Amino acid sequence: KAGVTQTPRYLIKTRGQQVTLSCSPISGHRSVSWYQQTPGQGLQFLFEYFSETQRNKGNFPGRFSGRQFSNSRSEMNVSTLELGDSALYLCASSLGTSGSSADTQYFGPGTRLTVL
Amino acid sequence: AQKITQTQPGMFVQEKEAVTLDCTYDTSDPSYGLFWYKQPSSGEMIFLIYQGSYDQQNATEGRYSLNFQKARKSANLVISASQLGDSAMYFCAMRNTNFGNEKLTFGTGTRLTIIP
Repeated sequence: KAGVTQTPRYLIKTRGQQVTLSCSPISGHRSVSWYQQTPGQGLQFLFEYFSETQRNKGNFPGRFSGRQFSNSRSEMNVSTLELGDSALYLCASSLGTSGSSADTQYFGPGTRLTVL
Repeated sequence: AQKITQTQPGMFVQEKEAVTLDCTYDTSDPSYGLFWYKQPSSGEMIFLIYQGSYDQQNATEGRYSLNFQKARKSANLVISASQLGDSAMYFCAMRNTNFGNEKLTFGTGTRLTIIP
């Protein structure tokens, strides 16, 4: 089975611009979660999508948004970029079984975003 | 609130030796899952091992085993016969099963360096 894929792998943007990141989950997985990783804040949960609906949300401003398509592929959008948005953005997919502690998330290689 | 604590920022271990990476957690939920991930310098998070809160036996996956002590709220990762390729960041994570809060909470990680 192919793993989780993310595109692009690297991005350089300037402040004020917007960016869209893409994530294709493992075949059969219906849940996609997004995480931001920075040296200062570590790994932080952004949001989770399941069956095209946002199911969980972290504590990020409204500039961060996402969506999921019927084929479970997901996109994340950041508008009005700030310097502090520079980070590794990781996407993870899972079966999405609600109420199961064993719902294992498998991660993609990440998109490294640099905001100048 | 859920919290994961990894108190070892970095460790140096001789090749072929066993290594234990510490992880303690805090949660008031009776049902939860504990995960360990490996993150090489490339950035991708690689799933290593899972332990459920109701599992009676410690989980094992090849050279990885999880020393689960529920009363102490600890879930240490043990790597036997370490290899140079084990050099990476290691993250402990927890997943709760409360609907609407089913996300992974990560610790700050431990950087493991294997010395030849």
